[in-house]
Amino acid sequence: DAMVIQNPRYQVTQFGKPVTLSCSQTLNHNVMYWYQQKSSQAPKLLFHYYDKDFNNEADTPDNFQSRRPNTSFCFLDIRSPGLGDAAMYLCATSRDRVVRLFFGSGTQLSVL
Amino acid sequence: EDKVVQSPLSLVVHEGDTVTLNCSYEVTNFRSLLWYKQEKKAPTFLFMLTSSGIEKKSGRLSSILDKKELFSILNITATQTGDSAVYLCAVEARSGGGADGLTFGKGTHLIIQP
Repeated sequence: DAMVIQNPRYQVTQFGKPVTLSCSQTLNHNVMYWYQQKSSQAPKLLFHYYDKDFNNEADTPDNFQSRRPNTSFCFLDIRSPGLGDAAMYLCATSRDRVVRLFFGSGTQLSVL
Repeated sequence: EDKVVQSPLSLVVHEGDTVTLNCSYEVTNFRSLLWYKQEKKAPTFLFMLTSSGIEKKSGRLSSILDKKELFSILNITATQTGDSAVYLCAVEARSGGGADGLTFGKGTHLIIQP
């Protein structure tokens, strides 16, 4: 059974049209992460929630926002997607500061 | 700036071959090194290494860490087509620990031909 679920698997949006990616988890982990992974590149951490505390990476563009309404769900909002935002977006969870991450299957975002 | 370099970036071998994937790092406050397998789905955890010279083994996969020379290797013996994937190396390196201190390499894309 999937423990970290991302929807949709593939998302196509238009240049400048806001898009939201979702992630849910059944592990009851208190930490949730969003990574961006471009083709043949390393996953890049955008931000993470430690419980309700939001932690933004210094180089994450303002165009990217996140919401975590409860323990199980986390959303990634891209306010005005550009062509350079086309990538795989991976959600991951962990318990406290344990580094072993549990990943979702990712959402492949295309921007037309 | 923390750096994790994986080599080779891609590798094509025949089923049954043995492969060795490399991960070298330059980080401050090293805490641990992790290997993940990424197929066309969620990256899945393989190993976590914290001590030099102690081999971790799971079936046909094994990994070892050298903290003096700052690298790790992942070995896969008797490869199968199901081993085809991107193998990601990540290093935890922040004084407070935690996955927000993980730096990933670009991965090695391994293709096993029948």
